[in-house]
Amino acid sequence: VQLVQSGAEVKEAGESLKISCQGSGYSFTNYWIAWVRQMPGKGLEWMGIVYPGDSVTYYGPSFQGQVTISADKSINTAYLQWNSLKASDTAIYYCARSGYCRTTSCVTYSRFDPWGQGTLVTVSS
Amino acid sequence: DIQMTQSPSTLSASVGDRVTITCRASQSISSWLAWYQQKPGKAPKVLIYDASSLESGVPSRFSGSGSGTEFTLTISSLQPDDFATYYCQQYKSYYTFGQGTKLEIK
Repeated sequence: VQLVQSGAEVKEAGESLKISCQGSGYSFTNYWIAWVRQMPGKGLEWMGIVYPGDSVTYYGPSFQGQVTISADKSINTAYLQWNSLKASDTAIYYCARSGYCRTTSCVTYSRFDPWGQGTLVTVSS
Repeated sequence: DIQMTQSPSTLSASVGDRVTITCRASQSISSWLAWYQQKPGKAPKVLIYDASSLESGVPSRFSGSGSGTEFTLTISSLQPDDFATYYCQQYKSYYTFGQGTKLEIK
């Protein structure tokens, strides 16, 4: 089971960006994928989650309207995108597997395991 | 929103010490709590889930306890590999992380 994220990005303020997280070794469709931000020298902040099976998405209150989370189950990939980056978006972004759905039940919220290796996004002003 | 408060923010200890990190939730989260370890330049790794269940492959010197609003992570005998930053996380309603505890060598 692993999540592999896209590589580091260097962008200018105002540009758009979409980073990815590809899962393998498990049924990608049946597990929620979470995104987590870590600003330089700071702690972990939950951004949102997506269920690849039907693309249902929930956002953390600080990130609603600021980013878009999506998934393409045909290629086992989740995405995090920005329409207009700001210098304050400079951070490492992690994806992680979380809850799951089985035939008769769903667990939406669960521990994060495994995590992707992280994608460093640097935005210059 | 559920807030998570960890203490202390920094902890200095020596190899062999027993250490405890505390996490408090702003409202009851039952046992829906996980603990993570993060080393510099690496992704976090889960140690404990459901407040007291040890993740597979994690050394038994790590243990978690608590329910409701008060939780603790205990390392029974610190090893050199344990110096890192630790985070608690609630998953009762959406997700919230504590602000982290940096465990330093004394």
